[in-house]
Amino acid sequence: EDKVVQSPLSLVVHEGDTVTLNCSYEVTNFRSLLWYKQEKKAPTFLFMLTSSGIEKKSGRLSSILDKKELSSILNITATQTGDSAIYLCGLDNYGQNFVFGPGTRLSVLP
Amino acid sequence: NAGVTQTPKFQVLKTGQSMTLQCAQDMNHEYMSWYRQDPGMGLRLIHYSVGAGITDQGEVPNGYNVSRSTTEDFPLRLLSAAPSQTSVYFCASSYPTGRSTFGSGTRLTVV
Repeated sequence: EDKVVQSPLSLVVHEGDTVTLNCSYEVTNFRSLLWYKQEKKAPTFLFMLTSSGIEKKSGRLSSILDKKELSSILNITATQTGDSAIYLCGLDNYGQNFVFGPGTRLSVLP
Repeated sequence: NAGVTQTPKFQVLKTGQSMTLQCAQDMNHEYMSWYRQDPGMGLRLIHYSVGAGITDQGEVPNGYNVSRSTTEDFPLRLLSAAPSQTSVYFCASSYPTGRSTFGSGTRLTVV
């Protein structure tokens, strides 16, 4: 069974801290790994990673995929209270289905 | 552009009742999916469709039915609601390249 594991499940930091969220998976053949941010409602898209070793950046957020280690990380630098959310990692099995991890709940305190 | 529209936003059902959660997208996406989200469980796939007339089961399909008669609509039917189906339900759509757009969710409580 395809499986995605995220760690930590919950994280509390202070504004200005840097955080690293981890996603590991057991699926060996997939099209892309996706990161989403979920605040109060629907998840919103952050990154789609398809190639190992290529970092994607958007402002203070960055992410990279390591296919050898079957993992991905999401980095957030200089965290702000607006970064408080659940961060979801998911795999696209060539459109057959998406498998999501349980999410990491990040709380950023002022 | 509305994106993915889910209705209703909230629903309370009694055990044994049936209902349909509606999902519509206006992006001409081929793929549509239904997920449920429970605390600590992330998103779990219920059913998905890769095109009109084609549906398949996901990870947790029991107690739910779907159909896809048009590209735009993908309703989810609860046949006989149970308290274990209390959850937040999300509909999503995408092109085959994988990036999904999610609806705003339906919070369902079964009493």
